[in-house]
Amino acid sequence: SYEPTQPLSVSVALGQTARITCGGNNIGSLNVHWYQQKPGQAPVLVIYRDSNRPSGIPERFSGSNSGNTATLTISRAQAGDEADYYCQVWDSTYFFGTGTKVTVL
Amino acid sequence: EVQLVESGGGLVQPGGSLRLSCAVSGFTVSDNYMNWVRQAPGKGLEWVSVIYSGGNTYYADSVKGRFTISRDNSKNTLYLQMNSLRPEDTAVYYCGREFTPGARYFDYWGQGTLVTVSS
Repeated sequence: SYEPTQPLSVSVALGQTARITCGGNNIGSLNVHWYQQKPGQAPVLVIYRDSNRPSGIPERFSGSNSGNTATLTISRAQAGDEADYYCQVWDSTYFFGTGTKVTVL
Repeated sequence: EVQLVESGGGLVQPGGSLRLSCAVSGFTVSDNYMNWVRQAPGKGLEWVSVIYSGGNTYYADSVKGRFTISRDNSKNTLYLQMNSLRPEDTAVYYCGREFTPGARYFDYWGQGTLVTVSS
């Protein structure tokens, strides 16, 4: 079983940069996708295949993946970015990360 | 406009059954890989099941043998039949579409339906 590990929480000052990690053995060899979930809402895809943004997602959201760590970066953080963020991979089946709560101070 | 609307959730006793539906508009269910993903209260996301466009079905070990995914092409609707329900199946259940068949990530999600398994 492959369970990507994420920090429980990340805090970022308004306008600064938040980095959310997703760790796993040789995760760099897998495609990593990221979802944003606000309370009471369904997840929303924000990054797919490591570093690609769906249409409608701000350029402030970016991703990278190498070695044992994938990273979602939120630049110029806004109050509306407060949410839970999940990474997801497929390795014979679908695995979600443990989730990270992002707080904008 | 793409819409996925789940229904069928509710309160059920342990050992009971429930059938969830996901009515889709804006694309054809049978042309896509369609999934169920669940989220226990206060917990993270957990993949449950997928049905491929070709009809093959796969399940998480936690539900294998108890849950059945299916679709009705005439109604453009996805289903999840849940039998022998356990308290640990309590969760919001989301249906989701893979971006393209085999993309292995989800671009459209429903709003979710809550299943509570309790006596």
